[in-house]
Amino acid sequence: EIVLTQSPATLSLSPGERATLSCRASQAVSTYLAWYQQKPGQAPRLLLYDASSRATGIPARFSGSGSGTDFTLTISSLEPEDFAVYYCQHRSSWPQLTFGGGTKVEIK
Amino acid sequence: QVQLQESGPGLVKPSGTLSLTCAVSGASITSTNWWRWVRQPPGEGLEWIGEIYHSGSTNYNPSLKSRVTISIDKSKNQFSLNLTSVTAADTAVYYCAKQSLVGSSNWFDPWGQGTLVTVSS
Repeated sequence: EIVLTQSPATLSLSPGERATLSCRASQAVSTYLAWYQQKPGQAPRLLLYDASSRATGIPARFSGSGSGTDFTLTISSLEPEDFAVYYCQHRSSWPQLTFGGGTKVEIK
Repeated sequence: QVQLQESGPGLVKPSGTLSLTCAVSGASITSTNWWRWVRQPPGEGLEWIGEIYHSGSTNYNPSLKSRVTISIDKSKNQFSLNLTSVTAADTAVYYCAKQSLVGSSNWFDPWGQGTLVTVSS
């Protein structure tokens, strides 16, 4: 089973700053990785899939990169609505679907 | 626009069975995608429970496989989750979700709003 490790656990930033979130896979996963955003009391929302493709309606300030074992979600300039928890996800050895532990982006 | 809505008891007794239903609107339950369940204990991360295809094929998280059954009701355009022998560790918000077919198709989109199930006597 592939394990996804997200870092840092918490990121304290101010609106307008750049956020860089990391997701590391225990084995190479090509670019088969997605990112989700979850706000308090809400369901997760798909942000990016296949490491760097934005889902429908996702603003351009969200971007993703990486392949193999190391992936990055970047929010170029934080808006107030971006403060949330972010999860990475992969489909590891069939049929297992796994999530990382999450990174909370909080207001500094 | 596809929408999913979970329903079921919010309180289940220890050793009992947790039963939830996910009603699908805006798409046919027989469309070519998997239908999934995910849970999230309070203050914790996300855990995939399992999935079902309209043919009845299922895949389950190995850690829950012995206690989980996911079924589909084509006549009602919905799918269901049964989790047996529950304990307090099964207390969580339970989400249903649709497999997203974009890109390599391994994603979850959209999600239901979630329903909190508490296991307590």
